[in-house]
Amino acid sequence: DGGITQSPKYLFRKEGQNVTLSCEQNLNHDAMYWYRQDPGQGLRLIYYSQIVNDFQKGDIAEGYSVSREKKESFPLTVTSAQKNPTAFYLCASSLRGTALYGYTFGSGTRLTVV
Amino acid sequence: QKEVEQDPGPLSVPEGAIVSLNCTYSNSAFQYFMWYRQYSRKGPELLMYTYSSGNKEDGRFTAQVDKSSKYISLFIRDSQPSDSATYLCATGRNTGANSKLTFGKGITLSVRP
Repeated sequence: DGGITQSPKYLFRKEGQNVTLSCEQNLNHDAMYWYRQDPGQGLRLIYYSQIVNDFQKGDIAEGYSVSREKKESFPLTVTSAQKNPTAFYLCASSLRGTALYGYTFGSGTRLTVV
Repeated sequence: QKEVEQDPGPLSVPEGAIVSLNCTYSNSAFQYFMWYRQYSRKGPELLMYTYSSGNKEDGRFTAQVDKSSKYISLFIRDSQPSDSATYLCATGRNTGANSKLTFGKGITLSVRP
């Protein structure tokens, strides 16, 4: 079955640590997105990528980094510079030029700072 | 003013009630409108999609867009406990290959048996 796989489902980070969230899709989608979801704040765009080896900052990119070396993969690193990383992180994808018909989302990763 | 505003909720209704969920948007260039449903600890899934104005019906769900007032609505008839979820509206405009969606904050609906 085609879809988006996010791993791990739950992740715990110590203060000062970098952690990487995985996002893999087998939908042959060009565009991939990372969102952060906090209670009462909705979905906030962190980074997005329309094609391999290219990505753009979203609204809240500070403290995060991404790479897009393969079409299928768009990992997100939460660095120690992100002061409040505890949140639910969602990865999404779409065919380039068809984002306006809707995204496909993964099941999310819940990151907690301990 | 945010591009998409959504009633904050939460909303609690008895089983069988008609539910009305609403969003407003500020950019008159938005033409693509959709509703996502998100169950607890899951990713959102596309529920309804509408292009431009008008109504779209799918079973117990009706999506309505009024472009003159920049108002988006989702109606749920004969609501069921399984409808308990967070509902997010989303919209966007065509800016070419790099078009993206803008999401509302979401409203959490609870349907009481």
